[in-house]
Amino acid sequence: RKEVEQDPGPFNVPEGATVAFNCTYSNSASQSFFWYRQDCRKEPKLLMSVYSSGNEDGRFTAQLNRASQYISLLIRDSKLSDSATYLCVVRGHGSGNTGKLIFGQGTTLQVKP
Amino acid sequence: EPEVTQTPSHQVTQMGQEVILRCVPISNHLYFYWYRQILGQKVEFLVSFYNNEISEKSEIFDDQFSVERPDGSNFTLKIRSTKLEDSAMYFCATDRGKEQYFGPGTRLTVT
Repeated sequence: RKEVEQDPGPFNVPEGATVAFNCTYSNSASQSFFWYRQDCRKEPKLLMSVYSSGNEDGRFTAQLNRASQYISLLIRDSKLSDSATYLCVVRGHGSGNTGKLIFGQGTTLQVKP
Repeated sequence: EPEVTQTPSHQVTQMGQEVILRCVPISNHLYFYWYRQILGQKVEFLVSFYNNEISEKSEIFDDQFSVERPDGSNFTLKIRSTKLEDSAMYFCATDRGKEQYFGPGTRLTVT
């Protein structure tokens, strides 16, 4: 089983649409969770951390379900500039945690005019 | 806003040659990492570095790889004898204990 699993997509949506991405992780000892965004051939950029209580940053809402080992990202009112690959990332499990990040394959979003 | 920088942006080398990739971390960050991303694949952890020593390394990080922070600023990744399969984007990342910030990467092409 992959450590972090995402639907690769692509998700093709019109501007203004709401789109949701899901992710599952295999290690229940994982401690921190993030969504990163990656544009083509660029570095991953931190989009937001994910907290158990759920958190929102403008049009973006992230949720974490530790019992189901499931993370989600909701994007409302999609913009053309949201087109990118969204990476589900977990960090830290087990003793000797050194902070390494474990990445999912990424979900590609294409927002069309 | 402080950022991680990396040089060179693109390195082309012949198989068997040594390469050194350089990173300048954000100044008050204490933890340093190298990751790589082969074209079309996911980002993979290589090594973490703290307090001037390796704290964890992956299976990818074999004896051909080494890291150091010789002058307290640059953080380097050396590949001693490059192979074709080392062709990838190499990203440096740094943090103070929670959120990691990535440099723009070095594209390594081994011919």
